[in-house]
Amino acid sequence: GESVGLHLPTLSVQEGDNSIINCAYSNSASDYFIWYKQESGKGPQFIIDIRSNMDKRQGQRVTVLLNKTVKHLSLQIAATQPGDSAVYFCAERRVHKLSFGAGTTVTVRA
Amino acid sequence: GAGVSQSPRYKVAKRGQDVALRCDPISGHVSLFWYQQALGQGPEFLTYFQNEAQLDKSGLPSDRFFAERPEGSVSTLKIQRTQQEDSAVYLCASSPRLAGGRGQETQYFGPGTRLLVL
Repeated sequence: GESVGLHLPTLSVQEGDNSIINCAYSNSASDYFIWYKQESGKGPQFIIDIRSNMDKRQGQRVTVLLNKTVKHLSLQIAATQPGDSAVYFCAERRVHKLSFGAGTTVTVRA
Repeated sequence: GAGVSQSPRYKVAKRGQDVALRCDPISGHVSLFWYQQALGQGPEFLTYFQNEAQLDKSGLPSDRFFAERPEGSVSTLKIQRTQQEDSAVYLCASSPRLAGGRGQETQYFGPGTRLLVL
């Protein structure tokens, strides 16, 4: 079936290093993708989004890359900080609903 | 400005009880969504409102689940005769745009209501 998923369930990164979180999707008709960050006990927080007619989009310390050929999405976080520790979800839009993967838990080591 | 708020934040119910979960979206947001998030999983779509109209309820797990948004702002998700498998975090999200268009459409989430059915 069609789904949005993340390659790795956990990622440990040294403070100050760059983080890369990957996501594979299977619905080639998806036209919009969002990355969310969820801290314990909180709702998902919007990080960055990208439309399918783009390959790359940059925000503050974050970059999202979209490779439609292999249906792959990634989130890069520059100079990872302790406050970046959270679960990260990619989501794809299917008509009006968002379909989420299971998430990647990022732990930042001091 | 104020974000999406949900109440209660925590709810413990005995199996068989009815519960009502409230969502206050961001003022002026047209679209409202409910999601269910099981422990360790991503959110799963339940239902979608455009103003007061419920346009999609395909994700509701059973007829025990009912959602409404009578005046196009506040929404309530009601679960009747709760079962243990209903235990989850229920998330509400809102968006300023009509959903399903070709443009970017960020959904802003509330903190969720954590429901535990004993």
